[in-house]
Amino acid sequence: DIQMTQSPSSLSASVGDRVTITCRASQAISTYLAWFQQKPGKAPKSLIYGASNLQTGVPSKFSGSGSVTDFTLTISSLQPEDFATYYCQQYNSYPWTFGQGTKVEIK
Amino acid sequence: QVQLVQSGAEVKKPGASVQVSCKASGYTFTPYYIHWVRQVPGQGLEWMGIINPSDGSTNYAQKFQGRVTMTRDTSTITVYMELRSLRSQDTAVYYCARERQLAPHRFLDYWGQGTLVTVSS
Repeated sequence: DIQMTQSPSSLSASVGDRVTITCRASQAISTYLAWFQQKPGKAPKSLIYGASNLQTGVPSKFSGSGSVTDFTLTISSLQPEDFATYYCQQYNSYPWTFGQGTKVEIK
Repeated sequence: QVQLVQSGAEVKKPGASVQVSCKASGYTFTPYYIHWVRQVPGQGLEWMGIINPSDGSTNYAQKFQGRVTMTRDTSTITVYMELRSLRSQDTAVYYCARERQLAPHRFLDYWGQGTLVTVSS
C-alpha cells in the first residue's frame, strides 16, 4: 500500500496568514493526488484533484502543487471558514489511501 | 443537484453485521463508481472499497476482504455496504462517495452525510 504522510499534523495560524501543508507519498504517484477539507461533524469536501486542479466552486485562495512523491496545499489568506482538517489522498493505485490529516486551528 | 443520502445510525453487538445504504439522486446512476470510506471517531479517513454500479463489480481493501460486501440496486438507485463480524474497532462513521472521472484523473466529488455505526456489547 502507498503511505501518505502529511506535515504538520496540526498548525495554529491567524486570519490572513498564508498556510502551506505538505504531503509525501511513499512511492511515485505522478499527479494522482487529491485534497479534501473536513469540518467537525461533516463529510469531507473535495478541494483539488490532479495535484493542482481546483474543484468547481472552490475559491482560488486554495492552490495545490507537486508531482511524483511531494505535494503541497496552500491557502493564500486564511479566513475563519478555512479552519478545518485537511487530508491528501492518492488514487494512483488501490487501495486508495489518505494522509493522517492536518488540523488548522486559530491562533 | 447531486445527492447521496445514507441510512441512519446503527448500534450493533460484536459479531453482528450491519448494512448501510446510500441512495443517489440528481445524476445518472450507472456511469459513476461509488466508494466507501470510514472514519473512526477522532481519527483519519480510511478507504474500504469501490463498486461499479453498471455491472456490480467491486474492489475491496485487503483489510476488509472477507468481511465486506458492496452491492447495488439499479431499480432503486441505491448502493449498499455490508460489514460482518463487527468488533468494537469498527465503530466509525461510514461514508459513501461518488467518483468522477476526468481522464486520467479520478476523484471523489460528492459525499453522503455519513452513517455512524456503533459496535458495543
